[in-house]
Amino acid sequence: EVQLVESGGGLVQPGGSLRLSCAASGFTFSTYWMHWVRQAPGKGLVWVSRIVSDGSSITYADSVKGRFTVSRDNAKNTLYLQMNSLRAEDTAVYYCARVGPVASHTMIDYWGQGALVTVSS
Amino acid sequence: QTVVTQEPSLSVSPGGTVTLTCGLSFASVSTTYYSSWYQQTPGQAPRTLIYSTNTRSSGVPDRFSGSILGNKAALTITGAQAEDESDYYCMLYMGSGIWVFGGGTKLTVL
Repeated sequence: EVQLVESGGGLVQPGGSLRLSCAASGFTFSTYWMHWVRQAPGKGLVWVSRIVSDGSSITYADSVKGRFTVSRDNAKNTLYLQMNSLRAEDTAVYYCARVGPVASHTMIDYWGQGALVTVSS
Repeated sequence: QTVVTQEPSLSVSPGGTVTLTCGLSFASVSTTYYSSWYQQTPGQAPRTLIYSTNTRSSGVPDRFSGSILGNKAALTITGAQAEDESDYYCMLYMGSGIWVFGGGTKLTVL
């Protein structure tokens, strides 16, 4: 069974940093691309970033570019999201999501349950 | 900034048919945008319904279908059921490793 479990969320002050982890199991993590997607309270889904299977290509939404860094450790089956210079508008539930190996890697087939990040003083 | 447009809210009667659309602020949506659709109920993670415009994800009932209607991607629910009351999001692939979600449609079944 495919499982994606996010951790590391919490309360952080504006300007601070936080690192989220996403532990993957039930599939060969090293062969799949992954996304981060976020959702502010009461708002819609927003795409954040995509990383390819070997980490050689990473893309970001303009809203987080230069502040967020995505990485992965295929030996540990774990995806990471390092968030720096956090702002109140970064407050959201952050989902890690698996890119399905079909349709030219353009769809998400599995989602984690999400980790809440709250940026507030 | 790319804006992907969806109806903020729609309603459908039980057993009825409803179509949700997904448009672009600057162009027509075609199959090259690989539209996908996701269903989300409050407090839950999204669930994948449709990908690559019209392919149903595993386990999705056949009352859900995807298409291109005019210049937009579309999700049609034929024979809506009470459990279909949810938020629905489309996602478009913009190329160059960039994706964008629509603002979502809140569907009420009443």
